[in-house]
Amino acid sequence: EDQVTQSPEALRLQEGESSSLNCSYTVSGLRGLFWYRQDPGKGPEFLFTLYSAGEEKEKERLKATLTKKESFLHITAPKPEDSATYLCAVQDAGFQKLVFGTGTRLLVSP
Amino acid sequence: GAVVSQHPSRVICKSGTSVKIECRSLDFQATTMFWYRQFPKQSLMLMATSNEGSKATYEQGVEKDKFLINHASLTLSTLTVTSAHPEDSSFYICSARMGGRRDTQYFGPGTRLTVL
Repeated sequence: EDQVTQSPEALRLQEGESSSLNCSYTVSGLRGLFWYRQDPGKGPEFLFTLYSAGEEKEKERLKATLTKKESFLHITAPKPEDSATYLCAVQDAGFQKLVFGTGTRLLVSP
Repeated sequence: GAVVSQHPSRVICKSGTSVKIECRSLDFQATTMFWYRQFPKQSLMLMATSNEGSKATYEQGVEKDKFLINHASLTLSTLTVTSAHPEDSSFYICSARMGGRRDTQYFGPGTRLTVL
């Protein structure tokens, strides 16, 4: 059974204080690993898809990396507007659906 | 970017009534749409997978007669919560799958259902 574990559960940073969020996964044949951002009361917003170990993708202050067992979402010099819940999900090669982790709630203080 | 809309964004209804939620992919065709439910401070729980022109596939524990799903076109799926009760109150989110090289699910903004 596919599993996704995210850590930490919650993270509080000062503005400008860089850090990383972790997503560990077990899946029988990874089709893709997805990162989403979710603001309170809204649907998840797509950030990145990673397909194979060693792949990296960047968007503004965010950078996602992938190994065979985990993915990291690096946040460089975060701003208060980066505060949100970040969700990680995996897609099994044999299925259409995504399996989500429980998310990391990020709070960036000015 | 890919845009998915949901309507209504909020609905309040009396116990025993039925509520229909629409999910539309606005700028792409989605052969597959998904319906999720989310409780406060929890992650998304997949309820069902909806393929255009065929019956939805429900996850274990989700009552198909309670949550009716129709995927009549490549851009529209509907979820009807039948005979709603207070325990059905939740945040319902749909997603639409853009296939091909960029196989990605794009999510709608969600619908907050409150059953009195």
